[in-house]
This record gives sequence, C-alpha cells and structure tokens, in this order.
Amino acid sequence: DAKTTQPTSMDCAEGRAANLPCNHSTISGNEYVYWYRQIHSQGPQYIIHGLKNNETNEMASLIITEDRKSSTLILPHATLRDTAVYYCIVPGAAGNNRKLIWGLGTSLAVNP
Amino acid sequence: GAVVSQHPSWVICKSGTSVKIECRSLDFQATTMFWYRQFPKQSLMLMATSNEGSKATYEQGVEKDKFLINHASLTLSTLTVTSAHPEDSSFYICSALVTGIYEQYFGPGTRLTVT
Repeated sequence: DAKTTQPTSMDCAEGRAANLPCNHSTISGNEYVYWYRQIHSQGPQYIIHGLKNNETNEMASLIITEDRKSSTLILPHATLRDTAVYYCIVPGAAGNNRKLIWGLGTSLAVNP
Repeated sequence: GAVVSQHPSWVICKSGTSVKIECRSLDFQATTMFWYRQFPKQSLMLMATSNEGSKATYEQGVEKDKFLINHASLTLSTLTVTSAHPEDSSFYICSALVTGIYEQYFGPGTRLTVT
C-alpha cells in the first residue's frame, strides 16, 4: 500500500474553503486515493475517492495532480460540524480486500 | 446510503469476563467486514478482516483466541473479547465493504471499558 503524508493539523474559518493536502508519491497506476473523516468519538465517514480525474460530490471535491503524487480535499464552505480528523488513504490494488491502513490524518479545526 | 450499526454503543465489564459486540449492515449485504480498535488520541488499527462463511484473517499481533470473530451471515459480524482485561479498554469500530463498491462504511463504534 502506498504511504501517505498529511499535515498534522489545520485551521479554517467557518464559511471559507478548507483545502487539505496529501502526498502519496509512491502511488501506483491502479491505486485509488480515498478520503475519510472521523468526528470525535464516532466511526469514520467516507467522503470521496478518485483515481486520476478530479471528483466532486455533495460533501467535497478531490483534486488529484496529473502525476498522481499528491491530492487535495476541498470542503468548499466549511462549517463547525466539519471539525474532524481527515484521513487520506491509498488502500492498494484490488485483491487485498481493500484493507485500509490509517495514519494520523489531519486534525481540522473550523473556527467561528 | 449504506448504514452500519453496532451494538452496544458502550459497555463496562469486569476484568475476566467476555463481551460480545455486534456489527450489522442494515440495508445491504456485506461479504467482507473489518474490525478496528482505536486507543485515545491514536489512529484506527485494523484487527481483522471478516469474510462471511469463512474464518477471519487477523493482523499480526492480534490474538485470534482472545478476539473471536464470527461472520455468520451477510449482514452480521460479531467480535467477542474473551477474558477482558483493563488494557482491552478501547473504542472498537467495525466497517462493511459494499459488494461491487470499494468504499467502506463504518459503524458508530463501541466504547469498551474493563474495570
């Protein structure tokens, strides 16, 4: 599984966009990038995933660089409820039952 | 969307007793479920992968005789912590893999406290 690197913590003002970076320089061609978040004392929540094209859903946008060595999760209008730990994960190629190896993630604090 | 439930949400037990935690996929079938453990201020640690109808695959360092996993149906997996000790106190989380879709959906977690 490709290793990911994320900043330990970030702050964002309520209503502004939160841009959370992730480096995954060892990612291989058929590996997806997944983003999850965990609000304190809750189970993780799936946000979005992508392979090479940018993706958008009702929660966030995912921008993947052309060389696929990094990506950015964008929360377009952060709210206080978006305060959580955000995890960028590259699970590895098909056949490994999609095991997720969790790093420490980025602790995002959305401030009023 | 896919919903995963866990029961109980929290449990306190005495040292030496066993505790069973249930993980259910409510509106979909899950051939694969995962069990994680999370200590305070730490990340999730995968304990085992549970496949319906077969034995669970445990991660290195996880005692299979202490953490018994049963995945008897496509909607239910159970984790039994046997002879629990205070060091087993943790937040236990399950997730289910939706067949044909690769994102995992997580339960709300179970807080286990062993006194």
